Amino acid sequence: QSVLTQAPSASGTPGQRVTISCSGSSSNIGNNPVNWYHQLPGTAPKLLIYTNNQRPSGVPDRFSGSKSGTSASLAISGLRSDDEADYFCAAWDDRLDIVVFGGGTKLTVL
Amino acid sequence: QVQLQESGPGLVKPSETLSLTCTVSGGSVSSGSYYWSWIRQSPGKGLEWIAFIYSSGSTNFNPSLKSRVTTSIDTSKSQFSLKLSAVSAADTAVYYCARAYSNALDMWGQGTMVTVSS
Repeated sequence: QSVLTQAPSASGTPGQRVTISCSGSSSNIGNNPVNWYHQLPGTAPKLLIYTNNQRPSGVPDRFSGSKSGTSASLAISGLRSDDEADYFCAAWDDRLDIVVFGGGTKLTVL
Repeated sequence: QVQLQESGPGLVKPSETLSLTCTVSGGSVSSGSYYWSWIRQSPGKGLEWIAFIYSSGSTNFNPSLKSRVTTSIDTSKSQFSLKLSAVSAADTAVYYCARAYSNALDMWGQGTMVTVSS
């Protein structure tokens, strides 16, 4: 059971916009920045969004992040087949004193 | 371009100590703004953060693992390491090292699979 809650799966068709949600609490998302990672099968996670809505260099602007209260969202526009991956949210938890991760959302491009 | 590479045994016996090293190339573990991390991923528990290690030598451990974790950093070799003692099957996972900045893990190693089995 992950501290941050994500739907296990999401799907969309090429060109579509999809949103992946991450729900937490006041001790994590509510009080700390959220980061998003994606992971292709058999590879290491890769940072996609940091500090709620910032993109690292090289990440296309099709990817955007937002946060409101104790929830955060990752939006992917212009969906492509190579966006198929697992997407994880993460944040520091002040009560547990650890980085907490969501369980991951597996995105399928139909 | 900074790269991280984990190394260490892929098989560890129950009750023994798991030892991994992360070698950082293309950069220094002494970089002032960055610090270093270990994370593991198992099918049963997803991603689990293990530790932050700072170039000063100070650390921040996951309380659930703290009693079994030891870390070190060698700036001369641009390496940092993880030791996890008294391992059990529950410690079987892919172990990643990563670079951290403001709690974001911005560079990851490729990961190394560690199986705990006799």
